[in-house]
Amino acid sequence: DGGITQSPKYLFRKEGQNVTLSCEQNLNHDAMYWYRQDPGQGLRLIYYSQIVNDFQKGDIAEGYSVSREKKESFPLTVTSAQKNPTAFYLCASSIANQPQHFGDGTRLSIL
Amino acid sequence: KNEVEQSPQNLTAQEGEFITINCSYSVGISALHWLQQHPGGGIVSLFMLSSGKKKHGRLIATINIQEKHSSLHITASHPRDSAVYICAAYGGATNKLIFGTGTLLAVQP
Repeated sequence: DGGITQSPKYLFRKEGQNVTLSCEQNLNHDAMYWYRQDPGQGLRLIYYSQIVNDFQKGDIAEGYSVSREKKESFPLTVTSAQKNPTAFYLCASSIANQPQHFGDGTRLSIL
Repeated sequence: KNEVEQSPQNLTAQEGEFITINCSYSVGISALHWLQQHPGGGIVSLFMLSSGKKKHGRLIATINIQEKHSSLHITASHPRDSAVYICAAYGGATNKLIFGTGTLLAVQP
């Protein structure tokens, strides 16, 4: 079955460490997205990519980086510059004018 | 004030009740999503609509573009409907998804 796979489901980071969250899709979608979800807030867009080798900052890109070397993969790195990284991270993908498909998310916590 | 507002924030219903969740938005939109998020965190798209009404099983979504309002209805609610329901609008200057904060629904047997 086609879908989006996020890994790991739970991730722990020490202060000052970078961590990378994986997102893979086999839906042949051109566009991919990373969102952050905090309690009591709507999802907020971190980065998005509409095509391979291209990506744009979303509303809260500071402290994060991404790459899009392959159509099916859009990893997100949470850098040490992100001062409040504890959150639930969701990856999504879509084709033009169609609903976004979401992964099951990664919950990141700071040790 | 958020550009996409949902009400209520929390809703408890008895099994079998008819449920309505409301979504209002203040930006121009091209389409509106209703999403369902289960306790594990994964999100499923229920509907995307830009006008009128859509129905899938016991779920009905309506949108009134002039009033900038959408509703999600669940008929004959069941405990398995318990989840967070999220309204998201494609709109604003960038036509990105703008999310509401969600409605936590608990259906009791």
